[in-house]
Amino acid sequence: DAGVIQSPRHEVTEMGQEVTLRCKPISGHDYLFWYRQTMMRGLELLIYFNNNVPIDDSGMPEDRFSAKMPNASFSTLKIQPSEPRDSAVYFCASSLFPAGTGGHEQFFGPGTRLTVL
Amino acid sequence: RKEVEQDPGPFNVPEGATVAFNCTYSNSASQSFFWYRQDCRKEPKLLMSVYSSGNEDGRFTAQLNRASQYISLLIRDSKLSDSATYLCVVNGKYGNKLVFGAGTILRVKS
Repeated sequence: DAGVIQSPRHEVTEMGQEVTLRCKPISGHDYLFWYRQTMMRGLELLIYFNNNVPIDDSGMPEDRFSAKMPNASFSTLKIQPSEPRDSAVYFCASSLFPAGTGGHEQFFGPGTRLTVL
Repeated sequence: RKEVEQDPGPFNVPEGATVAFNCTYSNSASQSFFWYRQDCRKEPKLLMSVYSSGNEDGRFTAQLNRASQYISLLIRDSKLSDSATYLCVVNGKYGNKLVFGAGTILRVKS
C-alpha cells in the first residue's frame, strides 16, 4: 500500500481564495482524521470520520472550514475564504480502529503545507 | 491547562548519551498512551505504545505512572538518527481522539 496520500503537497494562495486539500486514506481503514500543525498551537485535530460519516468536528476553527468524505477512499478539507492565519501544515491520517484500541495506530500522510498571503 | 504537556527542549546531547523525556497529561480517564516521532518537515510516525507495566523496544524504554499522570521515554546510546521531535500522545476525554503534546526536540551531535 502507498500509505496515506495527500495533495497538493504545497499550496500558496492569496487571502480570500478558496483552498481544497485532498486525502486518500489507506485502503481498509475506517477512520480518517484531519489535523492542522502550527508552531504556536502544535498538532490539533480538526475533524474525524468513521465509515465516511463525520463524528466529531469540534476542532474545526470556524465556518470557513468544511470537510467531506464522499466515499471510503477520498476526503477533502475546504477553506473558503482563506486567511493568512490559516497558514499551517495540514495532515490527514487514517487508522483501522479508534484511538485506544488494538490497531489504533494512526498513519499520517506527508501533509499539505499551506501559505495564505 | 493543556491536556498534554511536554518540555519543549531542545535537548542537545552527544552521541552515545542517555536522554529522558517527560510528559504529563490531565485526563485521569485516559487509557492509551503513545510516543510518536516527527522528523523535520515530515509527518508524525508511531514510535511506541506505552503500557502500564512499562515497555522496551531496543534502545527505547517507555514508562507510565497513572497515579502521577506522567509518561516518560528513555533513549539509550543516542544516535545521530534519533534527532527529531518526540510527541507525547494520549487518548483524550472522549476516547476516540488522540491529543498530541507540543513535542520535545532532540538533537544528537557527533
